[in-house]
Amino acid sequence: SAVISQKPSRDICQRGTSLTIQCQVDSQVTMMFWYRQQPGQSLTLIATANQGSEATYESGFVIDKFPISRPNLTFSTLTVSNMSPEDSSIYLCSVDGWGYEQYFGPGTRLTVT
Amino acid sequence: DQQVKQNSPSLSVQEGRISILNCDYTNSMFDYFLWYKKYPAEGPTFLISISSIKDKNEDGRFTVFLNKSAKHLSLHIVPSQPGDSAVYFCAASARSGGGADGLTFGKGTHLIIQP
Repeated sequence: SAVISQKPSRDICQRGTSLTIQCQVDSQVTMMFWYRQQPGQSLTLIATANQGSEATYESGFVIDKFPISRPNLTFSTLTVSNMSPEDSSIYLCSVDGWGYEQYFGPGTRLTVT
Repeated sequence: DQQVKQNSPSLSVQEGRISILNCDYTNSMFDYFLWYKKYPAEGPTFLISISSIKDKNEDGRFTVFLNKSAKHLSLHIVPSQPGDSAVYFCAASARSGGGADGLTFGKGTHLIIQP
C-alpha cells in the first residue's frame, strides 16, 4: 500500500481565514480523494482529484469553498476557505489501491475559533 | 440520509471471544464493501473487503459476510485481541466503468476488547 503524509497534522484557525492542507504520496497514483469527518460523524467525500483535470465535487461541496489542486501524480492540496466553526473537522486524503480499496493519510485536525 | 448504517456506536467483547460488527446499507447500487479500522489520531486502515458477487471473504482472523437480500454485512473477528480495540468503519462503493470511486462510510462502531 502507498505511504501517505499530510501537512499540517493539526491547526487552530480563526474564522474568516483559509487553510491549505497538503497530501503527499510515495508513489504515483491516478486518483486522490478528499474526505471530511466532522465530530461524531462518518467520513464524507468532498471531492475526487484526477491529475490534469478539474476536481469532481460531491453534492453539498463547492469549489469556491474547497478549492483543490492536483499538479502531479503524487501530490494534492485542499484549501478550506473563509472558515467558520462548522468547518472544524478532520480532513483526510486517500488514494486508490490495487483493487477498489483506498488508503488514507493520517488526517489533518482543524479547529476553527 | 445515511446510506450506510452502523447502528451500534460501541461494542464490548472479552479477549479471545468473537467480535461481530454489523452494517446495513440502503443503496442497491453498492456493489463493493469494505471495513476499515481506525485508531485515535491516525487515518483509517483498510482491513478487508468483499464484492457483491460473493457472500464471504476471509483473511486470517477477519471474515466479512454479505447478505445482499437483506442489504446487510458483518465483520467477524476471531479470536479478539486487545490490539483490536479501535473504531471500525463500514464503507461501500458503487463502482462505475471499472474506475475508482469515492466511498460512503457508516458512522463507525467503537470496539473495546476487555482483558
